[in-house]
Amino acid sequence: KQEVTQIPAALSVPEGENLVLNCSFTDSAIYNLQWFRQDPGKGLTSLLLIQSSQREQTSGRLNASLDKSSGRSTLYIAASQPGDSATYLCALLKAAGNKLTFGGGTRVLVKP
Amino acid sequence: NAGVMQNPRHLVRRRGQEARLRCSPMKGHSHVYWYRQLPEEGLKFMVYLQKENIIDESGMPKERFSAEFPKEGPSILRIQQVVRGDSAAYFCASSPTTGGAIEGYTFGSGTRLTVV
Repeated sequence: KQEVTQIPAALSVPEGENLVLNCSFTDSAIYNLQWFRQDPGKGLTSLLLIQSSQREQTSGRLNASLDKSSGRSTLYIAASQPGDSATYLCALLKAAGNKLTFGGGTRVLVKP
Repeated sequence: NAGVMQNPRHLVRRRGQEARLRCSPMKGHSHVYWYRQLPEEGLKFMVYLQKENIIDESGMPKERFSAEFPKEGPSILRIQQVVRGDSAAYFCASSPTTGGAIEGYTFGSGTRLTVV
C-alpha cells in the first residue's frame, strides 16, 4: 500500500528565503507525481506534474525533483513571497489504477 | 474554459437529511473523480466514474453514499441520512485520459458540507 509523507507539516520563513518542501513515498511503482497548492477554504491548484521518467520540472520560481529510487520528491520555491503562504500537497498516481494518493501537506507561512 | 465546476460551494444539512453535490468536469474531460478531505486530514479517494459507469468505488463508504455520472448533466455525489462525521470538503477532479497519466488532474473548488 502506497504511503505518502510530507515533512515538515508546517513551515514558517521570512520573505525572500528559499522554501524546500519534502515528499516521500514507499512504493516506487508510480506513473507520475503532482504538486498542488491549496489556499484556506479553497480548492487545489496544480503547480507541477512530473512523469515517472522525468527527474525534474520547473515553472517560474518553482522547481520539483523526483528520485524514484529513494522514494522522494522535493519542491523548491525560490525567493519566497507572502503570497506563497498556503498548504502544499504532493500526490502520486500509481502505475496501475487511477487513484491519486495524497500526502498530508505542508502548511507554509511566509512572513513579510 | 471554465475548469471543473462544483456546486454548491457550501452546503448545510441537518442530521438525517440528504446531501447532493454536483460536479461538471472540464470541457472535453470524460473522467470524474471524487475525493473527501476530513477536517485536519488529507484528501482521500472516494470514487472514479466515466459517463454512465462507475469504474472504481473502493474508497466509498458502503452505506449511505452513492455516485453517478449520467450521459447528460453533471456527476452527482449523494449522501443519504447525513451524520456529523460526514462534515468535510468534497472535491471533484477530472481528466481527459484514463488516470490523468499524461496531463494530470484538474480539481474543482470543492463543496464544504456541514452537518448540524
